[in-house]
Amino acid sequence: KNEVEQSPQNLTAQEGEFITINCSYSVGISALHWLQQHPGGGIVSLFMLSSGKKKHGRLIATINIQEKHSSLHITASHPRDSAVYICALSQGNLIFGKGTKLSVKP
Amino acid sequence: DGGITQSPKYLFRKEGQNVTLSCEQNLNHDAMYWYRQDPGQGLRLIYYSQIVNDFQKGDIAEGYSVSREKKESFPLTVTSAQKNPTAFYLCASSSGTSAYNEQFFGPGTRLTVL
Repeated sequence: KNEVEQSPQNLTAQEGEFITINCSYSVGISALHWLQQHPGGGIVSLFMLSSGKKKHGRLIATINIQEKHSSLHITASHPRDSAVYICALSQGNLIFGKGTKLSVKP
Repeated sequence: DGGITQSPKYLFRKEGQNVTLSCEQNLNHDAMYWYRQDPGQGLRLIYYSQIVNDFQKGDIAEGYSVSREKKESFPLTVTSAQKNPTAFYLCASSSGTSAYNEQFFGPGTRLTVL
């Protein structure tokens, strides 16, 4: 069962490019989380969404509950944005996507 | 300085040995979680605890055991019954278990079975 699908699996971008990572899901949820996993393995929470759009610095996250879809956008990408970005569905416990590995080249 | 600590960062064990991974938090969180991460797969829930002296199995609990004797601590034991224990293990905590509670993650322990 794949309740949550992320695309693309891998993404390479040039510094300064606008980046979009997508997350589609097939179950009802209360909230959706976007997480960032650094090369060393540590995970930090970027956003929690239950509707609409949130912005933090160069990061923007949107969710469409009716279409069961969320996107994470990075504007003016930088090499320090290189990480794995993970979408997680929240029904109480979290259901994690496999992640999108982003590499931003200088 | 609030946060979650996991030790050790890297752990090696021989086949057939039990090993215990440490997880400590000073965030005063009630809920704690253990996840396993394998290459190309999403994180999978091993065990979680909503309160001291109580814990529940997650999706892949077989071969693992936990205890929650103190609010701050949630150690995970990987037993010899776990068929494929080599993986990256992440501990997390949250103030509650509702869908809207943010989980805070530790730095992880990479376990390798030799």
